[in-house]
Amino acid sequence: AQKVTQAQTEISVVEKEDVTLDCVYETRDTTYYLFWYKQPPSGELVFLIRRNSFDEQNEISGRYSWNFQKSTSSFNFTITASQVVDSAVYFCALSVKSQGAQKLVFGQGTRLTINP
Amino acid sequence: EAQVTQNPRYLITVTGKKLTVTCSQNMNHEYMSWYRQDPGLGLRQIYYSMNVEVTDKGDVPEGYKVSRKEKRNFPLILESPSPNQTSLYFCASSLGPAGGYNEQFFGPGTRLTVL
Repeated sequence: AQKVTQAQTEISVVEKEDVTLDCVYETRDTTYYLFWYKQPPSGELVFLIRRNSFDEQNEISGRYSWNFQKSTSSFNFTITASQVVDSAVYFCALSVKSQGAQKLVFGQGTRLTINP
Repeated sequence: EAQVTQNPRYLITVTGKKLTVTCSQNMNHEYMSWYRQDPGLGLRQIYYSMNVEVTDKGDVPEGYKVSRKEKRNFPLILESPSPNQTSLYFCASSLGPAGGYNEQFFGPGTRLTVL
């Protein structure tokens, strides 16, 4: 099966705490891409990061960082010093080959609430 | 401005009344797709199109139709909507197939309620 699991349905933390959102994936492809999207309360989907399967370097962008580990099939997302504006639903996604085309398979999403 | 637009953004309708949700992109993208988002299930692909007149089923196509007569437009048609199609719908486009190195650009979403 090719799927993405975000086991944390909801997370609630106090502002300035660090928080990690877990993402575990399954795929039979040797080349694949992983993505994170943010969905704020307004509802749109905001692209955060793309990572290909050959690049296991961790990535940092401001308060955001991503830890990709092929050995555990995980692509976790950490927000450092969280802020109220980080409150959103976060989706992890995996690109898979299906019926001759590629598509995105999304995890269930993690609803993150940052309390002031 | 590069964008994907969807209309309407909100729609409340009744069972059996045919409706169309429009999707248009101005980036000359070949690949377009429709997703629905439901609580606890994430986004699931309904249909996709790799180019004009080329469409195929995604994971949850039952009850939906699409067409791709022009590159920029990819309408989603519900011929006889039912309450289980109440959902948040997203249209997306990309230069090539979704995933890979091709970033998908998502529309703002259409919240559909079928009574």
